[in-house]
Amino acid sequence: QKEVEQNSGPLSVPEGAIASLNCTYSDRGSQSFFWYRQYSGKSPELIMFIYSNGDKEDGRFTAQLNKASQYVSLLIRDSQPSDSATYLCAVTASKLTFGTGTRLQVTL
Amino acid sequence: DAGVIQSPRHEVTEMGQEVTLRCKPISGHDYLFWYRQTMMRGLELLIYFNNNVPIDDSGMPEDRFSAKMPNASFSTLKIQPSEPRDSAVYFCASSLPDKKLFFGSGTQLSVL
Repeated sequence: QKEVEQNSGPLSVPEGAIASLNCTYSDRGSQSFFWYRQYSGKSPELIMFIYSNGDKEDGRFTAQLNKASQYVSLLIRDSQPSDSATYLCAVTASKLTFGTGTRLQVTL
Repeated sequence: DAGVIQSPRHEVTEMGQEVTLRCKPISGHDYLFWYRQTMMRGLELLIYFNNNVPIDDSGMPEDRFSAKMPNASFSTLKIQPSEPRDSAVYFCASSLPDKKLFFGSGTQLSVL
């Protein structure tokens, strides 16, 4: 079992819709959870982080964490074509481990 | 702040040659990470340093890879000898203890 798992996609959503990206992790001792956005040919950029169960909102982005079920998700409201990118989930236990990412395509 | 600075941006070399990648972290960051990214394996942690000391190098593929951090503002990742399977994008990142990583622009390595 991979330490951090994501569906590779592509996930296609129409402009203005909500995009839902999911991530599961295997280490119950994980304490910090991050979402990075990576545009094609660019480096990853941190967009959200969450440490405790529940929701955390920042503008159009909401991170959700459920430690009992070992999943973390990212919701993007009012999706825009500029949101088209690969979204990487990262989890910290003994070290920071990345998932392989979900490619999001926002269509006009 | 200029962010994390990596050089070179692109490196094309022949199998068997030595390759050295360089990184300057953000000033004040005490963690430095080297990652490798490929389509097949995603982002893989190779090694990370805390206060210039290597903490976890379990991700270094084999003895051909070595990394150093002689001071707080400079790190190198060296591959000797290089092989075609080493072709990837190599990222350096730095952070404070909160592990919110700031990535450099990466080095695209092609080993022919």
